[in-house]
This record gives sequence, C-alpha cells and structure tokens, in this order.
Amino acid sequence: NAGVTQTPKFRVLKTGQSMTLLCAQDMNHEYMYWYRQDPGMGLRLIHYSVGEGTTAKGEVPDGYNVSRLKKQNFLLGLESAAPSQTSVYFCASSRAYYNEQFFGPGTRLTVL
Amino acid sequence: EDQVTQSPEALRLQEGESSSLNCSYTVSGLRGLFWYRQDPGKGPEFLFTLYSAGEEKEKERLKATLTKKESFLHITAPKPEDSATYLCAVQASGSARQLTFGSGTQLTVLP
Repeated sequence: NAGVTQTPKFRVLKTGQSMTLLCAQDMNHEYMYWYRQDPGMGLRLIHYSVGEGTTAKGEVPDGYNVSRLKKQNFLLGLESAAPSQTSVYFCASSRAYYNEQFFGPGTRLTVL
Repeated sequence: EDQVTQSPEALRLQEGESSSLNCSYTVSGLRGLFWYRQDPGKGPEFLFTLYSAGEEKEKERLKATLTKKESFLHITAPKPEDSATYLCAVQASGSARQLTFGSGTQLTVLP
C-alpha cells in the first residue's frame, strides 16, 4: 500500500516551458488536492477534485490546470512556467465524508 | 477570510521538557481543526482532527485541545524524534473542501 505517490520528485524548468506533475493514490479516496508550499506562507490549495472527471479551483489556481480522468490519478499542469511558480508541490487525497487529508512526498520545482 | 496563526514560529526544547504549541484561528463557523506533522523534505503527516470546543485527542506524547478561538498541541516529555514542523489547519463550515493552513511551528528537541 504505497499511499500517495508523486512524480517527479525534482524538476528544473526554464521560464515559458510546460510540464505535468502526476499524483497517484491507491487508497480508493474520492477527493484529491494539489497544494503549493512556500516559506512563511503555509500550504495553499491550488485545485481539487471531488471525483473522477470533476475539478474545482482553490485559493491560488492561476497559471495551473488539472485533470482527473481516473479516480486514482490527479494531474497538475503548468502551461507556461514562471519563476513565481518555484515551490514545493504536494498532492493529497481524502475520503468523501472525512476531511483527513493524506499527503504525498512532494515535488520540488524550480523555474529559472 | 479564514485565518490561522501559529506560535511560536520556532521552539527549542531539551529532551523531557514539556511545552505547548498554539494555533489561533478565525473562521466563519468551524467544521474541523487539523494537526499535521511535517519532517524536512517530506509531506505532512496527519495527526489529529478536532471538531468542537472542549474536545481533546491524544497520541503518545502529543495531546491536542480545542477552544472556540484556538487549539493547543501539548508535548509531554518530548524526545529528539519529536523534532519536526507542526502544522495546524482549519476547515470552515460551508467550504467545499478547502483547508486553511498556518505557517507552522518548527520544533527542535535536543538530547
């Protein structure tokens, strides 16, 4: 039981490049989330999904897109990366009724 | 706007020296308050959920309590392995799924 996994662990991009971060969970959780964590600012919600085929905006959605084509996977895309998107990105999942969220190990992204 | 403030930002304790971490919150109706532990380079690890004032939860050397305006994480006789950043988050009633996190308290327990 791997829990929540994220790919890749590290990535360096140049301004304007695009990339996709992959999150997978094997706990059969209905809900999935993408957060970014920056020093002194805490975790901030980017987008979330309450089920396969559905997505919704969180607190800081600009510059990101998401897709949830399968229940176990949640993808985060950056179409044109900017230095302000340098951060550590965490994926999380939870059951439908309980909001205890279980987090992945994170992806450290640097945009030059 | 929901707000979560954690204090202190950093805390250094000697092994065995008990203390408390504070989480003050402002929310339009509390649906739940969550405590997480985060080790360097890793994702947050869920510890507790508290739902109503007066509620308490315990796990090993940790005890979380909740009032209408704040929560405390009490650490009794800490060990070096308790060193981590402790995060507090709230979910407001009516919010779909959004958690608002504090910036955390970085705890160091010296042997």
